[in-house]
Amino acid sequence: DAGVIQSPRHEVTEMGQEVTLRCKPISGHDYLFWYRQTMMRGLELLIYFNNNVPIDDSGMPEDRFSAKMPNASFSTLKIQPSEPRDSAVYFCASSYPFGTGLLFSGNTIYFGEGSWLTVV
Amino acid sequence: GDSVTQMEGPVTLSEEAFLTINCTYTATGYPSLFWYVQYPGEGLQLLLKATKADDKGSNKGFEATYRKETTSFHLEKGSVQVSDSAVYFCALMNTGFQKLVFGTGTRLLVSP
Repeated sequence: DAGVIQSPRHEVTEMGQEVTLRCKPISGHDYLFWYRQTMMRGLELLIYFNNNVPIDDSGMPEDRFSAKMPNASFSTLKIQPSEPRDSAVYFCASSYPFGTGLLFSGNTIYFGEGSWLTVV
Repeated sequence: GDSVTQMEGPVTLSEEAFLTINCTYTATGYPSLFWYVQYPGEGLQLLLKATKADDKGSNKGFEATYRKETTSFHLEKGSVQVSDSAVYFCALMNTGFQKLVFGTGTRLLVSP
């Protein structure tokens, strides 16, 4: 079975340009997460969705960032306008909550290979 | 809030040495605990997990035991290989939430 698929794998863009990162979760998974990884801040959760609905976007850094999930098999993370400090690896991840519903916390979250963004 | 603390890296070892990477956590409730591994240029892969106190997770020779009394989940391996060189992340997922809280990661470098 295919894993979480992200595109592009690498992107170099100029400051001020719009950046769109794309993600296809594992089929059947109903949770989708966007994480950002930087040397300074480590792995940060930006936003996550359940059944295509945003549940927690408290990690989205500012209004320049937006995320959508129009259907169960596709999500986007958009940065407009981009800035050099947005340079990072952006990971998409997905999971399916097996176990005794929401009280079960041992579900495995599967990560994509990441989108490596450089803003110059 | 929930948090995970890992030992600073890098950890530098020779092949066949014993590995310990310390991880402690702070959380309300009864979280599940995870170790993820990130090889150079790749995403994160689940290495092992434990969902309740005294559980031991194991995979590929790595082990970690969920110690509620010391709020710890230390990663161990009896004999490391060069191919184990990677960054290791300890993480928790708390009851009622589906999101992972990560530690800062520990880089392991294994030399022949």
